[in-house]
Amino acid sequence: GAGVSQSPSNKVTEKGKDVELRCDPISGHTALYWYRQRLGQGLEFLIYFQGNSAPDKSGLPSDRFSAERTGESVSTLTIQRTQQEDSAVYLCASSPSAYSYNEQFFGPGTRLTVL
Amino acid sequence: GENVEQHPSTLSVQEGDSAVIKCTYSDSASNYFPWYKQELGKRPQLIIDIRSNVGEKKDQRIAVTLNKTAKHFSLHITETQPEDSAVYFCAASRNSGYALNFGKGTSLLVTP
Repeated sequence: GAGVSQSPSNKVTEKGKDVELRCDPISGHTALYWYRQRLGQGLEFLIYFQGNSAPDKSGLPSDRFSAERTGESVSTLTIQRTQQEDSAVYLCASSPSAYSYNEQFFGPGTRLTVL
Repeated sequence: GENVEQHPSTLSVQEGDSAVIKCTYSDSASNYFPWYKQELGKRPQLIIDIRSNVGEKKDQRIAVTLNKTAKHFSLHITETQPEDSAVYFCAASRNSGYALNFGKGTSLLVTP
């Protein structure tokens, strides 16, 4: 079946602009996670959604970052007034549920470059 | 919050040798420990995981060991092959609605 998809695959923007990144999880997966991976670094947790529960936003680095999810489907990560330090690969992952030991399946990522 | 430390950051081995990557964690409530492999330009993929009620788990050439008392876990790859070359990430989390906390990764190079 189809895996996690993300769009765009690459995004180049100017400092100060807003960007919106999209994630389509695997159908039926109730948990969705966003991570950030800076060049040569590990994965940094940003936010996750589990069904209709309030999202865990504890990893968002600043109030310029926000995310939404429509039901148990698509999620968008929005970065307002982008800064150069926002340049990274943004990875989305989904899993059947956050309430059990479930593998997280990753998307291919969106490479964001802020000039 | 959870802090996961991973060592070494780079590892080079000859084909056929074994490779060991070690991680420590800080949150004693963590009970799920997956390992992900990320090839260059690709997405991370789960290769093996272990839960806190198990001390060791094997899958062909890959094994993971867990010491909850010491709060560390390790990945062992035996009979390494060039296609094992990648970045490996360890992670830790609690159950019930917690995201994964990743180590910074180990770049493994297997030379023929």
